Amino acid sequence: AQTVTQSQPEMSVQEAETVTLSCTYDTSENNYYLFWYKQPPSRQMILVIRQEAYKQQNATENRFSVNFQKAAKSFSLKISDSQLGDTAMYFCAFMKPLQGAQKLVFGQGTRLTINP
Amino acid sequence: DTEVTQTPKHLVMGMTNKKSLKCEQHMGHRAMYWYKQKAKKPPELMFVYSYEKLSINESVPSRFSPECPNSSLLNLHLHALQPEDSALYLCASSLALELNTEAFFGQGTRLTVV
Repeated sequence: AQTVTQSQPEMSVQEAETVTLSCTYDTSENNYYLFWYKQPPSRQMILVIRQEAYKQQNATENRFSVNFQKAAKSFSLKISDSQLGDTAMYFCAFMKPLQGAQKLVFGQGTRLTINP
Repeated sequence: DTEVTQTPKHLVMGMTNKKSLKCEQHMGHRAMYWYKQKAKKPPELMFVYSYEKLSINESVPSRFSPECPNSSLLNLHLHALQPEDSALYLCASSLALELNTEAFFGQGTRLTVV
C-alpha cells in the first residue's frame, strides 16, 4: 500500500519569503503521479502542481516548483515570493490508476500561514 | 467549464433522516469520486464511479448509498447516519483511463449529523 508523509503540521513565513514544504512517500510502483493540492478556507481542493514519476525534470508553475527525488521518494514544494493568498492547507498526494479511474492517497497536510 | 458543483453547501440532519448530496460536472469526465474529510484530516476515498458503474467501494457502511444516474451527475444518499459521520464530503471528477490527468474537486458539503 502507498503511504504519503508530510512531517510539518504547520509552517509560518513572512510575505515575500520563500518556503519549502516536505513530502515523502512509499510505493513499489514505477509509474505514478504526484501532486500538491491546496485547500484554502473555502474548502475546495485546488491543484497546485503535478509531477510525472517518469520525468526527471522538476515541475514548475510560476512561483511554485518541486524538488522530485525519485530514488529517495521525496517530493517537496517550494513557494517563492509567498503571498497572503497562499495561506491554506497543503496536501501532498500520490496517484495510482485503479480500475479505470484513479485513487489519490493524501498526506496529513501542512497548514501554511503567510504573515503580512 | 472546469467546475464541479456540489449542493447543498451545508446540511444538518437528524439520525433518522434521509437526505441526498448532489454533484455535477460538465467537463466530459467519466470518473467521479466521493471523498470524506474529517476536520484537520486529509480526504479519504469512499466511492469511485467509472463510466457510470461503481468501480470502487472502500468498505463504506451501507448507510451511504452512491448513485450515478448519468455521466454528469453523482449522488450520495444518506440514511440513518451517526454523529461520527459529520464531515466535509467532497466530490471530484477526472478523465477515466487516463493516468496523467488531475482530479477536479467541488467545494464540498459540510454535513452535521445531530
